[in-house]
Amino acid sequence: AAGVIQSPRHLIKEKRETATLKCYPIPRHDTVYWYQQGPGQDPQFLISFYEKMQSDKGSIPDRFSAQQFSDYHSELNMSSLELGDSALYFCASSISRGPYEQYFGPGTRLTVT
Amino acid sequence: AQSVTQPDIHITVSEGASLELRCNYSYGATPYLFWYVQSPGQGLQLLLKYFSGDTLVQGIKGFEAEFKRSQSSFNLRKPSVHWSDAAEYYCAVGKKTSYDKVIFGPGTSLSVIP
Repeated sequence: AAGVIQSPRHLIKEKRETATLKCYPIPRHDTVYWYQQGPGQDPQFLISFYEKMQSDKGSIPDRFSAQQFSDYHSELNMSSLELGDSALYFCASSISRGPYEQYFGPGTRLTVT
Repeated sequence: AQSVTQPDIHITVSEGASLELRCNYSYGATPYLFWYVQSPGQGLQLLLKYFSGDTLVQGIKGFEAEFKRSQSSFNLRKPSVHWSDAAEYYCAVGKKTSYDKVIFGPGTSLSVIP
C-alpha cells in the first residue's frame, strides 16, 4: 500500500540558511500535518492543512511557513535556521471524512550546523 | 486541554515476559486514542487505535490495549515480548473531529533482555 512520502530524508544546513521539506500524502488523503521531534523528545504538532487551507496551528516558529498545494502535497519552509531546529520532521496524512487516523511518513532528519 | 501522560520513562523486560505500558489522558470527552511505536531513527508506526465500541482493541504485532473511561487510561499490553519489540512507544490522543492534531505523550522506552 502507498505510504506518506517525505523528501529529502536527510538534510544538512548551516545556521541562517533556508530549508524546504516536502510531503506527499497517501492518495485520496486530503489532510496533512507536520510534526517536529527534537532529540529525545516526543513529536510536537506544528501545523496542519485541510483542502489547501490551514486547519490548525501549533508551536510553529514565525520563521517557518507551510502550504498545501492543489495535488495535496505540502511543503514546510524554514528560514533563518537555528541550531535548535535540528530535529526529525514528520509529515502525516489522513482522510477528513474519517476515520481520522494519521499515517506518518518516515520523517526528514534536519541537521543545522 | 488535551494531555497524555506515560508514567514510565523506561521499562526493561526479559524476552518472553509479559508487558504493560501505561497511558493516562486528560480530555473533556471521549477521545480517539492511539499507540505508536518508533524504532531508533525510524518513523512512527501505528500499533492500534480506539475510536469507539469494544474497549479492548487488538493491534499489530500481538499488541492489545484496553480503554478504561473511569480511569482515563489506555494501557498497552503484550503477553510475550520479543527482542524486536525494543523501541520507543508513544500513547497519543486526538479529538473526534476531522483534521485535528494528535497530542503525543512523552514516550516509554522499552528495552528487552535476551
